[in-house]
Amino acid sequence: GENVEQHPSTLSVQEGDSAVIKCTYSDSASNYFPWYKQELGKGPQLIIDIRSNVGEKKDQRIAVTLNKTAKHFSLHITETQPEDSAVYFCAASIETSYDKVIFGPGTSLSVIP
Amino acid sequence: ETGVTQSPTHLIKTRGQQVTLRCSSQSGHNTVSWYQQALGQGPQFIFQYYREEENGRGNFPPRFSGLQFPNYSSELNVNALELDDSALYLCASSTPGGRGTWELFFGEGSRLTVL
Repeated sequence: GENVEQHPSTLSVQEGDSAVIKCTYSDSASNYFPWYKQELGKGPQLIIDIRSNVGEKKDQRIAVTLNKTAKHFSLHITETQPEDSAVYFCAASIETSYDKVIFGPGTSLSVIP
Repeated sequence: ETGVTQSPTHLIKTRGQQVTLRCSSQSGHNTVSWYQQALGQGPQFIFQYYREEENGRGNFPPRFSGLQFPNYSSELNVNALELDDSALYLCASSTPGGRGTWELFFGEGSRLTVL
């Protein structure tokens, strides 16, 4: 089955700096890669996703890149703000009708004001 | 707010007992997935229900079972509780592929402690 690894497990940056989180996946059939943000005491919330037919996607300060050959994908947050502090999870799945999403172990991001 | 509600929010059980967790999905969503999130870990897929049928299962023993009702709400049942079952249990509703999105909408979870 699919296995998703994520690095680093913790990340601390100064406000205004960039943050990068990297993930790898094992199943070459995976073709959908979402990123979720989980704030303390809440459930995860989707912040951005990318499909395998796209190499990069941006949404304001957030961007995601995908390298299908290497089975790598990354999240980039620019101009970080204190409200970006949370746990971020990458995930992978096969975009069939009703398949499951496999999550990485998470990265705890702290943005220092 | 995702519109997904879970109950109870917290509960404490002892080893060997049984527990039922409940989830109301977001309006219009026909699929419910359950995840177990141990402290400091990512959510792990337990199973998914679509139109009242189990539609995929992760690596969890049969003592983890579920139901989905005609209104798409769902229950997670765990029998013969073990200490390792202590975790946050997350419910996520979705309409896979609907409107081109595969987004999971999570509730805030039920925190289970097994003593």
